[in-house]
Amino acid sequence: DAGITQSPRYKITETGRQVTLMCHQTWSHSYMFWYRQDLGHGLRLIYYSAAADITDKGEVPDGYVVSRSKTENFPLTLESATRSQTSVYFCASSGDQGDTQYFGPGTRLTVL
Amino acid sequence: GQNIDQPTEMTATEGAIVQINCTYQTSGFNGLFWYQQHAGEAPTFLSYNVLDGLEEKGRFSSFLSRSKGYSYLLLKELQMKDSASYLCAVIDNYGQNFVFGPGTRLSVLP
Repeated sequence: DAGITQSPRYKITETGRQVTLMCHQTWSHSYMFWYRQDLGHGLRLIYYSAAADITDKGEVPDGYVVSRSKTENFPLTLESATRSQTSVYFCASSGDQGDTQYFGPGTRLTVL
Repeated sequence: GQNIDQPTEMTATEGAIVQINCTYQTSGFNGLFWYQQHAGEAPTFLSYNVLDGLEEKGRFSSFLSRSKGYSYLLLKELQMKDSASYLCAVIDNYGQNFVFGPGTRLSVLP
């Protein structure tokens, strides 16, 4: 089906482990985004990408790494997970800058 | 700096009208979005305003005043399924990134 998907939907990991969250979209959107959502903070931008091989930091990038070798995929890696990275992570995409962003279903990550 | 304010929670009765306010102070302005988010689900697009005035879409309307840094989302004929969080987001000066407000959790009571 067309759309934007995320995997896994739920993940439990331990402090210090590396974790990769996957995001895939079938619209050929140029822009892709990673957000985290925490109580009291709303959605905060971690990283975004304007096109394949072009990425940039958002508001809260520390502790995260992204790559975008293909237009349709935008994985987010936590190189050494910390408890403060326990959150719900949303991926989003849009066709152009400032366009409506469409969100994936989210990944609930717990770091023990 | 970027600052977007919304009321944390609101309660309304089925069939009533509710107005959810959003005030913003951001570095530049290139448009404002409203999203709906049901508990445990992804945000979904509701409306977009870039010019002053009212945009109507069925039971939902959104208003923008750029000079006042103010928007509201108006929900008419409330239904139980409208119980959700409503997120206000402003497009920043670079024109590509959204700055989200904290969201307003609306509870619709029978």
